[in-house]
Amino acid sequence: DAKTTQPNSMESNEEEPVHLPCNHSTISGTDYIHWYRQLPSQGPEYVIHGLTSNVNNRMASLAIAEDRKSSTLILHRATLRDAAVYYCILRASGSARQLTFGSGTQLTVLP
Amino acid sequence: EAGVAQSPRYKIIEKRQSVAFWCNPISGHATLYWYQQILGQGPKLLIQFQNNGVVDDSQLPKDRFSAERLKGVDSTLKIQPAKLEDSAVYLCASSLEAGGTGELFFGEGSRLTVL
Repeated sequence: DAKTTQPNSMESNEEEPVHLPCNHSTISGTDYIHWYRQLPSQGPEYVIHGLTSNVNNRMASLAIAEDRKSSTLILHRATLRDAAVYYCILRASGSARQLTFGSGTQLTVLP
Repeated sequence: EAGVAQSPRYKIIEKRQSVAFWCNPISGHATLYWYQQILGQGPKLLIQFQNNGVVDDSQLPKDRFSAERLKGVDSTLKIQPAKLEDSAVYLCASSLEAGGTGELFFGEGSRLTVL
C-alpha cells in the first residue's frame, strides 16, 4: 500500500476552521484517499473519501491537490467533540485490500 | 441501525491464560475485520473475512491467535496463551463490500490487559 505522511499533532481553537494535511507522493491512479477519525475510547469512524475532485459532506471537506500527491481534510468549524486522532489512508479501488492505518494526527481543540 | 457489537469491553488476564472476544457485525455486511491497536499506535489488521472465508490473515500470529466466522455472521477471536505484549484494544469492523470505497464500521473495541 502507498504510504501517507501526517503531522503527529495539531492544535486548533474552537469554532475556527482546521486544515489537516496529508502527503501521499507515491499514490497510484486507482488509490482512493480515505479519512477516518478516532475519538477517545472509541473505534475509528469514517469521515470522508475522494479520488480526484474535492468532496464535501456533513462532517468535513476533502481538498485534493491536482497532482494527487497531497490532500487536506477541512473541518469548517472545530468543536471540542472534534478532538480525535485523524487518519489519512490510501485504498485501491476494486481490490479486497483492507485499510492500513498509520499513526495519524492528534487534533487538540482549545476552548 | 445497530452498529458493530463487541464483547467483553474489558478483560484482564494473567500471561499464559486464554481469552476470547466476540463480534457481531452490522446485518448484511459480508466483510469482517479484526484489528489490534496497541496504545499510541494506529490499528493493525489481524484478519479479514469475506462471508465465512479468510481473505487475509498474513499478520495474525497463528501460534497463539485464532479466529473464526461461522455461518458468515458472528466472529470470535481467541488468544491462547496470552503474552504481555498482547495487551491492546481489539477492534472489530465490518463493511458491506470487500474492497474499493466501502466504508468500514468499527465497534467500540475490547480492551485486553495481560498481567
